[in-house]
Amino acid sequence: DTGVSQDPRHKITKRGQNVTFRCDPISEHNRLYWYRQTLGQGPEFLTYFQNEAQLEKSRLLSDRFSAERPKGSFSTLEIQRTEQGDSAMYLCASSSWDRSYEQYFGPGTRLTVT
Amino acid sequence: DQQVKQNSPSLSVQEGRISILNCDYTNSMFDYFLWYKKYPAEGPTFLISISSIKDKNEDGRFTVFLNKSAKHLSLHIVPSQPGDSAVYFCAASARDLGNEKLTFGTGTRLTIIP
Repeated sequence: DTGVSQDPRHKITKRGQNVTFRCDPISEHNRLYWYRQTLGQGPEFLTYFQNEAQLEKSRLLSDRFSAERPKGSFSTLEIQRTEQGDSAMYLCASSSWDRSYEQYFGPGTRLTVT
Repeated sequence: DQQVKQNSPSLSVQEGRISILNCDYTNSMFDYFLWYKKYPAEGPTFLISISSIKDKNEDGRFTVFLNKSAKHLSLHIVPSQPGDSAVYFCAASARDLGNEKLTFGTGTRLTIIP
C-alpha cells in the first residue's frame, strides 16, 4: 500500500494560465475525491468519482475547473484561466467501495497564483 | 454556513495528560463522523471514526465520544505524546443520503508540552 500520491507538490503560476494536477489513488480504491483547503479552513469538497464516473460536483467547482478519471485509476484536475483566488492546497483522497466513509488523503498540491 | 464547528483554534496540553478536542455540528442528517490529524505540508491522516449508532469508539490512545442529542463529539487522547502535536480536523458525512463528501471543521491546533 503506497498511499495516495499527488503531482506536483507545488505549483506557481501566473494569473490567466492553465494548470493541471494529477492524483494517483490507493490501487484497490474505486472512489476518488478532490478537496480544496485555504489557510485557516478545513478541506472543502470539490468533486468525487466512483470508478470513471463523476458523481457529484460542488458549486465551488466553477466552469474553469474540470476533473477527469479516464480509466477509473488516476485523476486529473485542471484549472483554466487561473485567478489569484484559486491559490490553495488541492487535496486528493480515495476510499474503497466497502469503507467509502474512510477517505485517505494524499499530500496535496499547493497552488500559488501570482 | 459552517455545519461542522471546532470552536477552539488551539489547545496546549502537558505531555502525559489527557487532550480533549471538541466538535459541534448542526446538520442532523450527518450519520458518520471522523477525526483527521494534519502535520504541516502533509495531507490529513485518518485517525478514528464513529457511526451515529454508537456513542463511543476506542482505538489505542484515541477515543471518540458522540452525543447525538447535543450534536457534539469529542476526541480524547490519553496519554498525550509530543508526536501528537498537529492540527486536528473533525469531519462528518451523511451516508444514508448517499452523500460521499466529507464536511470538515476549521481545525484545532494541539500542542503537547514536554
